[in-house]
Amino acid sequence: GESVGLHLPTLSVQEGDNSIINCAYSNSASDYFIWYKQESGKGPQFIIDIRSNMDKRQGQRVTVLLNKTVKHLSLQIAATQPGDSAVYFCAENGGAQKLVFGQGTRLTINP
Amino acid sequence: ETGVTQTPRHLVMGMTNKKSLKCEQHLGHNAMYWYKQSAKKPLELMFVYNFKEQTENNSVPSRFSPECPNSSHLFLHLHTLQPEDSALYLCASSLGTGKSDTQYFGPGTRLTVL
Repeated sequence: GESVGLHLPTLSVQEGDNSIINCAYSNSASDYFIWYKQESGKGPQFIIDIRSNMDKRQGQRVTVLLNKTVKHLSLQIAATQPGDSAVYFCAENGGAQKLVFGQGTRLTINP
Repeated sequence: ETGVTQTPRHLVMGMTNKKSLKCEQHLGHNAMYWYKQSAKKPLELMFVYNFKEQTENNSVPSRFSPECPNSSHLFLHLHTLQPEDSALYLCASSLGTGKSDTQYFGPGTRLTVL
């Protein structure tokens, strides 16, 4: 069945370091993946997406890597800033209308 | 601001009350969604509307009743809720319901059922 899971529920990094948030999925038919960021008191905010015909996609300070062989997705944030503190969710869309979300990783930035 | 607004932001209600949550999107989208976000659980899709028609009901109990009068507005009518229904209720919208149609979320309504 479909499931999207995260390896770690929390991640603490030093300000200025790079952050890597991981996600595993089980549906090999999934072909579209999204990362969302949710700050306290707000709804999830779209960060970046990737289709299964790509291995890597870069945005502003963020990179998403997709390894279809092991069904693994990661979000890399370069030069982490205090404003990056949030819960990060991966989601997969294996069928129209339905996003399946992971449980989320809380990213904490240490000064 | 994502262009999706929700009211109220916080709601406390008793199990015998009837209340409604409201969502409005200013993005010109055609699809709208209700999600439930409970502590330590993934977001759960509840309902999907596309061009005002309900296209998905994810086995949601009948004490939750959605209404979509037009593509810009979505309501969630609540009655005889249970304490376990306490959660953050998120509304989202997207241009369409295709795989790559990005969903934009509102800030949510924090619901507490006493």
